[in-house]
Amino acid sequence: GAVVSQHPSRVICKSGTSVKIECRSLDFQATTMFWYRQFPKQSLMLMATSNEGSKATYEQGVEKDKFLINHASLTLSTLTVTSAHPEDSSFYICSANRGGGGTEAFFGQGTRLTVV
Amino acid sequence: AQSVAQPEDQVNVAEGNPLTVKCTYSVSGNPYLFWYVQYPNRGLQFLLKYITGDNLVKGSYGFEAEFNKSQTSFHLKKPSALVSDSALYFCAGGGSTLGRLYFGRGTQLTVWP
Repeated sequence: GAVVSQHPSRVICKSGTSVKIECRSLDFQATTMFWYRQFPKQSLMLMATSNEGSKATYEQGVEKDKFLINHASLTLSTLTVTSAHPEDSSFYICSANRGGGGTEAFFGQGTRLTVV
Repeated sequence: AQSVAQPEDQVNVAEGNPLTVKCTYSVSGNPYLFWYVQYPNRGLQFLLKYITGDNLVKGSYGFEAEFNKSQTSFHLKKPSALVSDSALYFCAGGGSTLGRLYFGRGTQLTVWP
């Protein structure tokens, strides 16, 4: 099956610093990628839809200035958590679809962010 | 509003017994439905999907799911559970060509020896 690679898998940063998370589709082109956040023992919360070559679409309640998304190519989307705070500590997961609706989403391995 | 619901937070079964993890959906148009499994601190792994065709869908690791349009359900099943099946299971659905998925809250499956 298709592979989506997410990096890093785990990061610890200090409060006030920024962290970049990469999501790559390794063997297909993804015009759309999705960024999710998952709290412990909870479901995935969609944060934003990342569109190649255009601005990301953010879900209600997600701060676009805090969670910067860049989809610079058909195989790479990045999520930057700016001025991180301890409450931003979470598990972040990206996904990409090979095609349109009906094709399964392929998920990255996830990134465990801890802000100290 | 579109949504997917998993009514059970937890399902416990004995190894060798059949298991069912429930899912209902509310998606406009023809639904695309998926099941994913998640192990601790890992991303989601695809198990199976329903797009069109046979209502009974077979997937990875012996899992299957039955699409029931009248009951708007897509329950995940396995005839004989294994301890290694213990994990967090997510049902997801979508109805557009954009690939956006709506996730259920997840069901923790525990299979005891």
